[in-house]
Amino acid sequence: KAGVTQTPRYLIKTRGQQVTLSCSPISGHRSVSWYQQTPGQGLQFLFEYFSETQRNKGNFPGRFSGRQFSNSRSEMNVSTLELGDSALYLCASRVGTRDSFPYEQYFGPGTRLTVT
Amino acid sequence: DAKTTQPPSMDCAEGRAANLPCNHSTISGNEYVYWYRQIHSQGPQYIIHGLKNNETNEMASLIITEDRKSSTLILPHATLRDTAVYYCIVRVFNQAGTALIFGKGTTLSVSS
Repeated sequence: KAGVTQTPRYLIKTRGQQVTLSCSPISGHRSVSWYQQTPGQGLQFLFEYFSETQRNKGNFPGRFSGRQFSNSRSEMNVSTLELGDSALYLCASRVGTRDSFPYEQYFGPGTRLTVT
Repeated sequence: DAKTTQPPSMDCAEGRAANLPCNHSTISGNEYVYWYRQIHSQGPQYIIHGLKNNETNEMASLIITEDRKSSTLILPHATLRDTAVYYCIVRVFNQAGTALIFGKGTTLSVSS
């Protein structure tokens, strides 16, 4: 079974621009979560989607948004990019039929975003 | 904030067992302990999870103390490819959904 895929793998943007990152979950997985990883803050939860609905959101500004499509693929968007948005953005998927234990997530390789 | 405490770094000789400790003294009765690892520049990889009984799979063993306030991840025969950052996570649950809260983890360095 194919793993979680993320595109693009690397991206360079200029401050003030916006960016869209894509995530394709493992086949059959309906929940997709997004995380940001930076050297200073580590891995931080952005949001989770299930059945096209955002179910949980981390403590990030409204410039960070996401959506999920009917085929469970997800995109996240960052508007008005800032230098501090440079990070590795990770997508994770799970079966996610409901908020039940256990909670095993499978992560993709990430998208490395550099803002200049 | 993360609900776990881990040593920042550990060293292990190749072929020896690596024992990675984790403190989670405020864990709730229905919370599981999860372990993930992240090899440089890759996404985190699920290793194992447990509630209160010891668990073992093809990758590792998880020993949880009887009071559930701490646990130890054991890699029985560490190899160079086990060099990674290991995260001990207590699953956070709220009404709106769920999230994995990562701490700083333990950087395990396996050397020959």
